[in-house]
Amino acid sequence: GQQVMQIPQYQHVQEGEDFTTYCNSSTTLSNIQWYKQRPGGHPVFLIQLVKSGEVKKQKRLTFQFGEAKKNSSLHITATQTTDVGTYFCAGPANSGYSTLTFGKGTMLLVSP
Amino acid sequence: DTGVSQNPRHKITKRGQNVTFRCDPISEHNRLYWYRQTLGQGPEFLTYFQNEAQLEKSRLLSDRFSAERPKGSFSTLEIQRTEQGDSAMYLCASSLAGSYNEQFFGPGTRLTVL
Repeated sequence: GQQVMQIPQYQHVQEGEDFTTYCNSSTTLSNIQWYKQRPGGHPVFLIQLVKSGEVKKQKRLTFQFGEAKKNSSLHITATQTTDVGTYFCAGPANSGYSTLTFGKGTMLLVSP
Repeated sequence: DTGVSQNPRHKITKRGQNVTFRCDPISEHNRLYWYRQTLGQGPEFLTYFQNEAQLEKSRLLSDRFSAERPKGSFSTLEIQRTEQGDSAMYLCASSLAGSYNEQFFGPGTRLTVL
């Protein structure tokens, strides 16, 4: 079945440093979504990418969708302690567009 | 609060007991999803409804699990004869119908099976 893999599993940075997490799918994706889960919280939708090569920005966050639509990345510039959490990418499951397959996530720790 | 709500937030049960969880989605959302999440993993899809119809179930879903959404509003997830391996966070999410719609997650029900 479809697999969505994320690296790294975990990253610890000093506040102000940049952070990047990478997402790779075993199959071509029609779209990819990114979610953030704070410690003890639930996943919260961040963004969706649909087009090949698409780049979207949200303040200090930059999201990219690969040309082949099999990979994606999330880059955070100048991390802040409020960025702490686990970042998940998710793509449509093989069975259809309505269900999502999530990666295992990248846990980000930011030290002040 | 107009977000997705789930009850109870925590459930501790003994192995072999049945448990039932409830999810109330965002009122205008006609799609409702159930996921399971364990430590260090992403949410794992269990099943989803469009209105009252259960359109998809994960192949990994044991026949001890059953879900309903009788009037197309709230949903219940029942686990019969619970096992220790069922211990996890059970998340509910809802969305509008249509491709590519973002899912709004509830706070989850944490199940501990002793």
